[in-house]
Amino acid sequence: GQSLEQPSEVTAVEGAIVQINCTYQTSGFYGLSWYQQHDGGAPTFLSYNALDGLEETGRFSSFLSRSDSYGYLLLQELQMKDSASYFCAVSAGRRALTFGSGTRLQVQP
Amino acid sequence: GAGVSQSPSNKVTEKGKDVELRCDPISGHTALYWYRQSLGQGLEFLIYFQGNSAPDKSGLPSDRFSAERTGGSVSTLTIQRTQQEDSAVYLCASSRTGQITGELFFGEGSRLTVL
Repeated sequence: GQSLEQPSEVTAVEGAIVQINCTYQTSGFYGLSWYQQHDGGAPTFLSYNALDGLEETGRFSSFLSRSDSYGYLLLQELQMKDSASYFCAVSAGRRALTFGSGTRLQVQP
Repeated sequence: GAGVSQSPSNKVTEKGKDVELRCDPISGHTALYWYRQSLGQGLEFLIYFQGNSAPDKSGLPSDRFSAERTGGSVSTLTIQRTQQEDSAVYLCASSRTGQITGELFFGEGSRLTVL
């Protein structure tokens, strides 16, 4: 089967940098995605890594190590609006995306 | 349409009743997914349609749950004889093809409350 592990909660202050880790177990791995979800809202796509290394998109970066079955989402210059839940998700085989249980990020002033 | 559209946005029903939830994906998207999310929890996969292929129903929790996709577009998720544990937000998503980019476009969800 497939499984993903990510921390349940992370707290950080405005302007800081925070890293949300994700480890996964799956067969037929294609790539790792990250989604953001504000309370009461729909999940929205942030990034996708199929190859090892760091992908940067503005304040957000995502990293993947296929050999370690590990990835992380890095959020820089945190803003209050970044308070949300963040989900990692794996693409594997012909299966639908499998999501982790989510990390609730609370940004404090 | 501009995005994935789901209806109803909220549904309150009594235990034992049947409910239908509708999803209208983004035009041209061949893949359609249903997920379920309980309060404060992750997304639980239910069913996946890809083009004309047989759907992946491996996530449906019981035979009370079924889904169809007509004409490769609109999808309906049906829950028969609802139970209180069915209460959740049901999220529909679509993508252009399968999983190549890992990017799904989600609707706002249908919040189901079973009394």
